[in-house]
Amino acid sequence: AQKVTQAQTEISVVEKEDVTLDCVYETRDTTYYLFWYKQPPSGELVFLIRRNSFDEQNEISGRYSWNFQKSTSSFNFTITASQVVDSAVYFCALIQNSGNTPLVFGKGTRLSVIA
Amino acid sequence: EPEVTQTPSHQVTQMGQEVILRCVPISNHLYFYWYRQILGQKVEFLVSFYNNEISEKSEIFDDQFSVERPDGSNFTLKIRSTKLEDSAMYFCASGPWEGRTEAFFGQGTRLTVV
Repeated sequence: AQKVTQAQTEISVVEKEDVTLDCVYETRDTTYYLFWYKQPPSGELVFLIRRNSFDEQNEISGRYSWNFQKSTSSFNFTITASQVVDSAVYFCALIQNSGNTPLVFGKGTRLSVIA
Repeated sequence: EPEVTQTPSHQVTQMGQEVILRCVPISNHLYFYWYRQILGQKVEFLVSFYNNEISEKSEIFDDQFSVERPDGSNFTLKIRSTKLEDSAMYFCASGPWEGRTEAFFGQGTRLTVV
């Protein structure tokens, strides 16, 4: 069975601080994909990144960076120099490659960036 | 940039009524999904649809739910007799032709059952 754990329910930071959102996953498959989605107050789900299990290179996109470590089954997300517009709920998700399994989401981390 | 669109954005219905939530997936996608998010909770899978049939469904997707792709472009979720606990945000998603490894989500329909 697959599972995604986001232990941080809520995080509050002051603008310009760096913040890391944790994601730990469980799966028996050797091939899988990990995702991060952002859900702003308006409610939509915004795709941020997909990473496959064979690609452990860290990725940076502007102020966003992701640290994938298979050894600890973690896929953490860091926002550098946070801004108020980063305030949202962030979901980590996992999909196995075998069978026709759906995306499994973590419970989300609510990030509040205070000006 | 192509996107998944959902209508309506918000629907209020009385308990026991039938509702149909509509979605237009990205045009060249082959895999379609519905997910549900009860307020403040995580996003949960309901059903996946491929080649004009349900390919997988969760325990949530019981007999009161049905999906349809009536005209080759729309993808609908019908709830036959709504209950208070069906109040949630419903997300439609579609996946690209080359695989299911990425799902693009619509903006959601907020369903309120009163």
